[in-house]
Amino acid sequence: NAGVTQTPKFRVLKTGQSMTLLCAQDMNHEYMYWYRQDPGMGLRLIHYSVGEGTTAKGEVPDGYNVSRLKKQNFLLGLESAAPSQTSVYFCASRASTDTQYFGPGTRLTVL
Amino acid sequence: RKEVEQDPGPFNVPEGATVAFNCTYSNSASQSFFWYRQDCRKEPKLLMSVYSSGNEDGRFTAQLNRASQYISLLIRDSKLSDSATYLCVVNRRGGATNKLIFGTGTLLAVQP
Repeated sequence: NAGVTQTPKFRVLKTGQSMTLLCAQDMNHEYMYWYRQDPGMGLRLIHYSVGEGTTAKGEVPDGYNVSRLKKQNFLLGLESAAPSQTSVYFCASRASTDTQYFGPGTRLTVL
Repeated sequence: RKEVEQDPGPFNVPEGATVAFNCTYSNSASQSFFWYRQDCRKEPKLLMSVYSSGNEDGRFTAQLNRASQYISLLIRDSKLSDSATYLCVVNRRGGATNKLIFGTGTLLAVQP
Protein backbone atom coordinates (compact mmCIF):
# COMPACT_ATOMS: atom_id res chain seq x y z
CA ASN A 1 0.00 0.00 0.00
CA ALA A 2 1.92 3.03 -1.29
CA GLY A 3 -0.68 5.63 -0.29
CA VAL A 4 -0.41 8.73 -2.47
CA THR A 5 2.43 8.96 -4.98
CA GLN A 6 3.43 11.81 -7.27
CA THR A 7 5.58 11.92 -10.37
CA PRO A 8 7.90 13.53 -11.12
CA LYS A 9 9.57 14.61 -7.87
CA PHE A 10 11.45 17.48 -9.51
CA ARG A 11 11.15 19.30 -12.81
CA VAL A 12 12.64 22.37 -14.44
CA LEU A 13 10.72 23.95 -17.30
CA LYS A 14 11.28 26.90 -19.56
CA THR A 15 8.59 29.56 -19.86
CA GLY A 16 5.95 28.42 -22.32
CA GLN A 17 6.62 24.70 -22.02
CA SER A 18 3.90 22.30 -20.97
CA MET A 19 3.91 19.38 -18.60
CA THR A 20 1.65 17.04 -16.68
CA LEU A 21 1.99 16.06 -13.03
CA LEU A 22 0.62 12.67 -12.09
CA CYS A 23 -0.95 11.80 -8.76
CA ALA A 24 -1.90 8.22 -7.95
CA GLN A 25 -3.55 6.75 -4.87
CA ASP A 26 -4.19 3.13 -4.01
CA MET A 27 -6.61 3.71 -1.13
CA ASN A 28 -9.77 3.75 -3.27
CA HIS A 29 -10.47 7.33 -2.18
CA GLU A 30 -13.22 9.27 -3.93
CA TYR A 31 -11.85 12.75 -3.34
CA MET A 32 -8.59 14.06 -4.71
CA TYR A 33 -6.97 17.50 -4.55
CA TRP A 34 -4.10 19.50 -6.03
CA TYR A 35 -2.44 22.20 -3.93
CA ARG A 36 0.50 24.50 -4.39
CA GLN A 37 2.70 25.67 -1.55
CA ASP A 38 4.63 28.91 -1.71
CA PRO A 39 6.67 30.65 1.00
CA GLY A 40 4.48 32.77 3.26
CA MET A 41 1.28 31.67 1.52
CA GLY A 42 0.36 28.30 2.98
CA LEU A 43 -1.10 25.55 0.83
CA ARG A 44 -3.64 26.78 -1.70
CA LEU A 45 -6.16 24.60 -3.50
CA ILE A 46 -5.80 24.57 -7.29
CA HIS A 47 -8.40 22.01 -8.41
CA TYR A 48 -10.18 19.10 -6.86
CA SER A 49 -12.27 16.07 -7.79
CA VAL A 50 -15.15 14.43 -5.95
CA GLY A 51 -15.06 11.29 -8.04
CA GLU A 52 -14.00 9.68 -11.28
CA GLY A 53 -14.85 11.88 -14.25
CA THR A 54 -15.50 15.02 -12.18
CA THR A 55 -13.31 18.04 -11.50
CA ALA A 56 -13.86 21.49 -10.01
CA LYS A 57 -11.91 24.71 -9.53
CA GLY A 58 -10.29 25.60 -6.28
CA GLU A 59 -8.86 28.86 -5.04
CA VAL A 60 -6.11 29.37 -7.67
CA PRO A 61 -7.09 27.46 -10.85
CA ASP A 62 -5.81 29.86 -13.53
CA GLY A 63 -3.12 28.40 -15.76
CA TYR A 64 -3.88 24.80 -14.75
CA ASN A 65 -6.11 22.03 -16.03
CA VAL A 66 -6.94 18.68 -14.48
CA SER A 67 -8.41 15.34 -15.41
CA ARG A 68 -9.70 12.37 -13.43
CA LEU A 69 -10.26 9.65 -16.01
CA LYS A 70 -9.58 6.87 -13.51
CA LYS A 71 -10.52 6.90 -9.85
CA GLN A 72 -6.97 6.30 -8.72
CA ASN A 73 -5.31 9.02 -10.82
CA PHE A 74 -5.57 12.80 -10.81
CA LEU A 75 -3.53 14.68 -13.40
CA LEU A 76 -2.52 18.34 -13.22
CA GLY A 77 -1.54 20.01 -16.46
CA LEU A 78 0.31 23.22 -17.18
CA GLU A 79 -0.28 24.19 -20.82
CA SER A 80 2.12 27.12 -20.96
CA ALA A 81 4.29 27.36 -17.88
CA ALA A 82 5.08 30.75 -16.35
CA PRO A 83 7.68 31.68 -13.71
CA SER A 84 4.78 32.42 -11.31
CA GLN A 85 4.03 28.69 -11.36
CA THR A 86 7.33 27.88 -9.71
CA SER A 87 6.19 26.13 -6.57
CA VAL A 88 5.88 22.87 -4.69
CA TYR A 89 2.81 20.94 -5.77
CA PHE A 90 1.08 18.51 -3.44
CA CYS A 91 -1.63 16.06 -4.28
CA ALA A 92 -3.96 14.74 -1.59
CA SER A 93 -6.80 12.28 -1.33
CA ARG A 94 -9.44 11.37 1.20
CA ALA A 95 -12.26 8.96 1.80
CA SER A 96 -15.48 9.98 3.52
CA THR A 97 -13.72 11.37 6.59
CA ASP A 98 -12.13 14.82 6.66
CA THR A 99 -8.55 13.57 6.85
CA GLN A 100 -6.56 14.24 3.71
CA TYR A 101 -3.47 12.19 2.89
CA PHE A 102 -0.75 13.96 0.97
CA GLY A 103 1.74 12.79 -1.60
CA PRO A 104 5.45 13.65 -1.28
CA GLY A 105 5.23 16.67 -3.57
CA THR A 106 6.66 17.83 -6.88
CA ARG A 107 9.15 20.70 -6.93
CA LEU A 108 8.68 22.67 -10.13
CA THR A 109 10.90 25.48 -11.31
CA VAL A 110 9.93 27.56 -14.33
CA LEU A 111 12.75 29.61 -15.80
CA ARG B 1 -6.79 39.30 6.25
CA LYS B 2 -5.95 35.61 5.91
CA GLU B 3 -8.70 33.15 6.79
CA VAL B 4 -6.35 31.21 9.07
CA GLU B 5 -3.62 33.11 10.89
CA GLN B 6 -0.63 31.75 12.76
CA ASP B 7 2.51 33.23 14.25
CA PRO B 8 5.23 32.06 11.82
CA GLY B 9 7.85 31.84 14.57
CA PRO B 10 10.43 30.46 14.72
CA PHE B 11 9.97 29.17 18.21
CA ASN B 12 13.39 28.12 19.51
CA VAL B 13 13.02 26.05 22.66
CA PRO B 14 15.31 23.72 24.64
CA GLU B 15 14.60 20.02 24.90
CA GLY B 16 12.10 19.30 27.62
CA ALA B 17 10.37 22.66 27.35
CA THR B 18 6.64 23.19 26.97
CA VAL B 19 5.62 25.26 23.97
CA ALA B 20 2.22 26.51 22.81
CA PHE B 21 1.08 27.60 19.38
CA ASN B 22 -2.03 29.61 18.66
CA CYS B 23 -4.14 30.02 15.59
CA THR B 24 -7.18 32.13 14.75
CA TYR B 25 -9.69 31.64 11.97
CA SER B 26 -12.07 34.17 10.53
CA ASN B 27 -14.82 32.10 8.92
CA SER B 28 -17.46 31.05 11.43
CA ALA B 29 -18.69 28.43 8.91
CA SER B 30 -15.56 26.40 9.62
CA GLN B 31 -16.67 23.04 10.89
CA SER B 32 -13.68 20.97 11.83
CA PHE B 33 -10.14 21.72 12.80
CA PHE B 34 -6.76 20.07 12.63
CA TRP B 35 -3.09 20.41 13.31
CA TYR B 36 -0.80 19.06 10.62
CA ARG B 37 2.93 18.65 10.92
CA GLN B 38 5.27 19.34 8.01
CA ASP B 39 8.93 18.43 8.09
CA CYS B 40 11.36 20.34 5.91
CA ARG B 41 10.78 19.56 2.23
CA LYS B 42 8.20 16.90 3.05
CA GLU B 43 4.44 16.61 2.77
CA PRO B 44 2.03 17.68 5.53
CA LYS B 45 0.87 14.89 7.79
CA LEU B 46 -2.06 14.92 10.17
CA LEU B 47 -0.94 15.38 13.77
CA MET B 48 -4.32 15.54 15.42
CA SER B 49 -7.88 16.71 15.05
CA VAL B 50 -9.15 19.42 17.38
CA TYR B 51 -12.42 19.11 19.26
CA SER B 52 -14.37 21.62 21.32
CA SER B 53 -13.91 19.47 24.41
CA GLY B 54 -10.14 19.50 23.91
CA ASN B 55 -8.14 16.42 23.14
CA GLU B 56 -4.83 14.98 24.12
CA ASP B 57 -2.47 12.58 22.38
CA GLY B 58 0.55 11.81 24.49
CA ARG B 59 2.57 15.00 24.85
CA PHE B 60 0.27 16.94 22.55
CA THR B 61 -2.90 18.75 23.62
CA ALA B 62 -5.21 20.62 21.27
CA GLN B 63 -7.95 23.04 22.23
CA LEU B 64 -10.70 24.79 20.28
CA ASN B 65 -12.62 27.87 21.33
CA ARG B 66 -15.43 28.39 18.84
CA ALA B 67 -16.68 31.59 20.45
CA SER B 68 -13.28 33.24 20.02
CA GLN B 69 -12.47 31.34 16.78
CA TYR B 70 -9.19 30.25 18.28
CA ILE B 71 -7.25 26.97 18.19
CA SER B 72 -4.20 26.01 20.21
CA LEU B 73 -1.60 23.26 20.33
CA LEU B 74 0.47 22.54 23.42
CA ILE B 75 3.56 20.36 23.26
CA ARG B 76 4.98 19.17 26.56
CA ASP B 77 8.49 17.79 27.14
CA SER B 78 9.70 18.84 23.69
CA LYS B 79 11.94 16.42 21.81
CA LEU B 80 14.46 17.17 19.09
CA SER B 81 12.22 15.17 16.76
CA ASP B 82 9.38 17.66 17.33
CA SER B 83 11.28 20.21 15.21
CA ALA B 84 9.01 20.91 12.26
CA THR B 85 6.45 23.36 10.95
CA TYR B 86 3.01 23.04 12.49
CA LEU B 87 0.09 23.92 10.25
CA CYS B 88 -3.25 25.02 11.61
CA VAL B 89 -6.00 23.80 9.29
CA VAL B 90 -9.72 24.43 9.21
CA ASN B 91 -12.28 22.53 7.21
CA ARG B 92 -14.92 24.67 5.56
CA ARG B 93 -17.80 22.76 4.04
CA GLY B 94 -19.34 24.16 0.92
CA GLY B 95 -20.30 23.02 -2.54
CA ALA B 96 -19.52 19.45 -3.48
CA THR B 97 -16.84 18.86 -0.92
CA ASN B 98 -15.13 20.20 2.12
CA LYS B 99 -12.19 22.51 1.66
CA LEU B 100 -9.17 22.61 3.89
CA ILE B 101 -7.86 26.09 4.56
CA PHE B 102 -4.24 26.09 5.71
CA GLY B 103 -2.39 28.53 7.86
CA THR B 104 1.13 29.42 6.79
CA GLY B 105 2.57 27.39 9.65
CA THR B 106 4.58 27.92 12.81
CA LEU B 107 8.20 26.79 12.78
CA LEU B 108 9.43 24.98 15.88
CA ALA B 109 13.12 24.35 16.47
CA VAL B 110 13.93 22.27 19.54
CA GLN B 111 17.51 22.78 20.64
CA PRO B 112 19.66 20.19 22.44
